[in-house]
Amino acid sequence: QQPVQSPQAVILREGEDAVINCSSSKALYSVHWYRQKHGEAPVFLMILLKGGEQKGHEKISASFNEKKQQSSLYLTASQLSYSGTYFCGTEYNNNDMRFGAGTRLTVKP
Amino acid sequence: EAGVVQSPRYKIIEKKQPVAFWCNPISGHNTLYWYLQNLGQGPELLIRYENEEAVDDSQLPKDRFSAERLKGVDSTLKIQPAELGDSAVYLCASSPGGRWGNEQFFGPGTRLTVL
Repeated sequence: QQPVQSPQAVILREGEDAVINCSSSKALYSVHWYRQKHGEAPVFLMILLKGGEQKGHEKISASFNEKKQQSSLYLTASQLSYSGTYFCGTEYNNNDMRFGAGTRLTVKP
Repeated sequence: EAGVVQSPRYKIIEKKQPVAFWCNPISGHNTLYWYLQNLGQGPELLIRYENEEAVDDSQLPKDRFSAERLKGVDSTLKIQPAELGDSAVYLCASSPGGRWGNEQFFGPGTRLTVL
């Protein structure tokens, strides 16, 4: 059950904000967010657990709506280094992970 | 702390040939994942290990793919015989387990090209 991400791509200017969404058709245990730069491995950004707990980088924020089975990643005051492809990973039970197709973010000067 | 190590980084083979990928997870990480990533797509889970036990291999094409994690540390993923459609990046990831154990640390991947 692959989660659905939107938008597929977004282009920003430095300093602008963006929101990336992730939705599932099944009840979620947790949502993960990763960023992958071209030719590199995905890097962990944040995990949001059912019940409201979360762990991640201080400059990254996200929300998890358990009832709607949706999560959103908020990128504020974007920097050039934010460019990359963002993947959400959804867990339906402990460690059963499925990734979305990704959202390509481009930040321009 | 050393990260997840994978080798080789690149592999080019003829179709119908066998190929093997190796992964050494972060020390102490009990959970190990193998993913396949096609260009422009997210990682697709092939198999997940908890220590030496394969606990999720439902998406592993067992007619040609096999994996093992002897002693619950490093792991090998094999394809025999390889097909043109197997060209992709094969990612290995590990996780420490526990309350926050689902955070995954990815290796650099092996880019496979089947000619």
